[in-house]
Amino acid sequence: GAGVSQSPSNKVTEKGKDVELRCDPISGHTALYWYRQRLGQGLEFLIYFQGNSAPDKSGLPSDRFSAERTGESVSTLTIQRTQQEDSAVYLCASSLASGASGRAGNEQFFGPGTRLTVL
Amino acid sequence: GEDVEQSLFLSVREGDSSVINCTYTDSSSTYLYWYKQEPGAGLQLLTYIFSNMDMKQDQRLTVLLNKKDKHLSLRIADTQTGDSAIYFCAEFYNQGGKLIFGQGTELSVKP
Repeated sequence: GAGVSQSPSNKVTEKGKDVELRCDPISGHTALYWYRQRLGQGLEFLIYFQGNSAPDKSGLPSDRFSAERTGESVSTLTIQRTQQEDSAVYLCASSLASGASGRAGNEQFFGPGTRLTVL
Repeated sequence: GEDVEQSLFLSVREGDSSVINCTYTDSSSTYLYWYKQEPGAGLQLLTYIFSNMDMKQDQRLTVLLNKKDKHLSLRIADTQTGDSAIYFCAEFYNQGGKLIFGQGTELSVKP
């Protein structure tokens, strides 16, 4: 597709359940990023991938959060045993490379996000 | 540490100029960005500035960078109601591939 896509667009789940969020980056983009946006707040970095390796997982809030990426394609973010504080919009972005290069350095293209509500 | 701060709200009248301010902490940042987020839409890159520049103009947008004070601003000339959105500044964190975002400034444009 032309842009970054994410699914589902909305997810409502019960506390304690596991959820899986999916991101399809722009074709050819080697770097992929996950961010979280809580209501009324800025974006909080979670993890990024260069290819299918994750050099920086520093933003994952707990061991309930994990992410995988298949080659330079789809990524899934999994949240186990969800808690109410996990409620947020989860945004995925991709870029040509993870370093500062190219016209706009590290221009990241964002998907529309998945709105997660944990009841 | 990594921290980017913005004021939360700005209200202007249509036709006026808007100035959104941002401060950041990583003096080694090479790129600084302004993103726009409209309701129900994804983040859209508006403009960026390389750290060896102090000003960049792009149509109605002017970005000013004061490296000494680690202060970044976005000026929107002739603000229109369609400019109403949340504006995020972000710095590229050189120690990794991530962007560090501010909390966002909600711009409200009144007719």
